[in-house]
Amino acid sequence: DGGITQSPKYLFRKEGQNVTLSCEQNLNHDAMYWYRQDPGQGLRLIYYSQIVNDFQKGDIAEGYSVSREKKESFPLTVTSAQKNPTAFYLCASSMRQGLTGELFFGEGSRLTVL
Amino acid sequence: DQQVKQNSPSLSVQEGRISILNCDYTNSMFDYFLWYKKYPAEGPTFLISISSIKDKNEDGRFTVFLNKSAKHLSLHIVPSQPGDSAVYFCAARGAGAGTASKLTFGTGTRLQVTL
Repeated sequence: DGGITQSPKYLFRKEGQNVTLSCEQNLNHDAMYWYRQDPGQGLRLIYYSQIVNDFQKGDIAEGYSVSREKKESFPLTVTSAQKNPTAFYLCASSMRQGLTGELFFGEGSRLTVL
Repeated sequence: DQQVKQNSPSLSVQEGRISILNCDYTNSMFDYFLWYKKYPAEGPTFLISISSIKDKNEDGRFTVFLNKSAKHLSLHIVPSQPGDSAVYFCAARGAGAGTASKLTFGTGTRLQVTL
């Protein structure tokens, strides 16, 4: 079955610690994305990558870092510099120059900072 | 500056009736508009989209209408079913992201379909 796998589904972190969220896709999509959802807010774009070894900042990149060493993988690191990291994180992918702009989403990872 | 707005945080509709979810946008450069459905603790799933050069797109019970002059789109669900109860997000695709599909999302509308 093709899809996007995010892990872990739930993660707890102490303040001051970095944490890495995993995102793997087997859809052979070129582009991958990280979004963040907070209660009562829409999804906000953190980072996106059009191709391996390339990525761009989204609207709220501060305190986050990403890498794209393989086409299938786009991990997100939430650093201690992120002031309000507790949120639901969503990874997505899309076809290169997809006609309709459709993104395919993973199931999400909920990060809670204690 | 919120470029995509969903002004109704919630909507309750009886089963079998029509659900109408609304979305407004400010950026005239958006070229595609999409609707996603989301259940709690899950990722959003794609429902339907419309190109900025069209004014209507239909897929089964779901129809999206686009009014470019008013910068407004709406999603109609007819007839509404209890399984449609979820949060619906409007999204718009902007230019300038190369081959990526950089979507801007609204804040969502929670639809509850009652028996």
